[in-house]
Amino acid sequence: DAGVIQSPRHEVTEMGQEVTLRCKPISGHDYLFWYRQTMMRGLELLIYFNNNVPIDDSGMPEDRFSAKMPNASFSTLKIQPSEPRDSAVYFCASRPGSGRDTQYFGPGTRLTVL
Amino acid sequence: RKEVEQDPGPFNVPEGATVAFNCTYSNSASQSFFWYRQDCRKEPKLLMSVYSSGNEDGRFTAQLNRASQYISLLIRDSKLSDSATYLCVVRVPSGSARQLTFGSGTQLTVLP
Repeated sequence: DAGVIQSPRHEVTEMGQEVTLRCKPISGHDYLFWYRQTMMRGLELLIYFNNNVPIDDSGMPEDRFSAKMPNASFSTLKIQPSEPRDSAVYFCASRPGSGRDTQYFGPGTRLTVL
Repeated sequence: RKEVEQDPGPFNVPEGATVAFNCTYSNSASQSFFWYRQDCRKEPKLLMSVYSSGNEDGRFTAQLNRASQYISLLIRDSKLSDSATYLCVVRVPSGSARQLTFGSGTQLTVLP
């Protein structure tokens, strides 16, 4: 089975540019999560979806961040305009709708904003 | 106070040693508990769930103390391949703003 797929794996951009991160959850999983990980703040939940509907976006740092899930197999996290402090590893995770709480993480996108 | 607190380490231990990590959580209504493992520059992966009665998986033993809001992970006969960061993870009650809350991790290096 394919796990969670994220693209790109690495992104280097300049301040002010738009960045779009992509995620394909595990087929059949009802929940999708976007996290950000930095040395200073650890792993932070940004937003999560249930059945493609955003449930809680209180972790989104500011209006420059937006996330969408147009269908069950695809989600995007967009940053516009990007700033150097957005540099981090962004993980997408998914889990089934019932049963265990275990989340399965994608390999992450390492974002560097210059 | 952080919702989940861990000793960041680093823990540097020789091969074959026994090492223990501790974690405390602030929400007494927390329902599910896990240890995740994260290798350098990789994604977190579930190591094991933590049950009230304690549970063991090979060389790994997890314990939960609800009264003290404390979780532990014991690794016996440590291997070089155990070197990683170990994340303590707690699920807060449903309806709250978060699904899983991750600790900042404890870094372990097993030395030859």
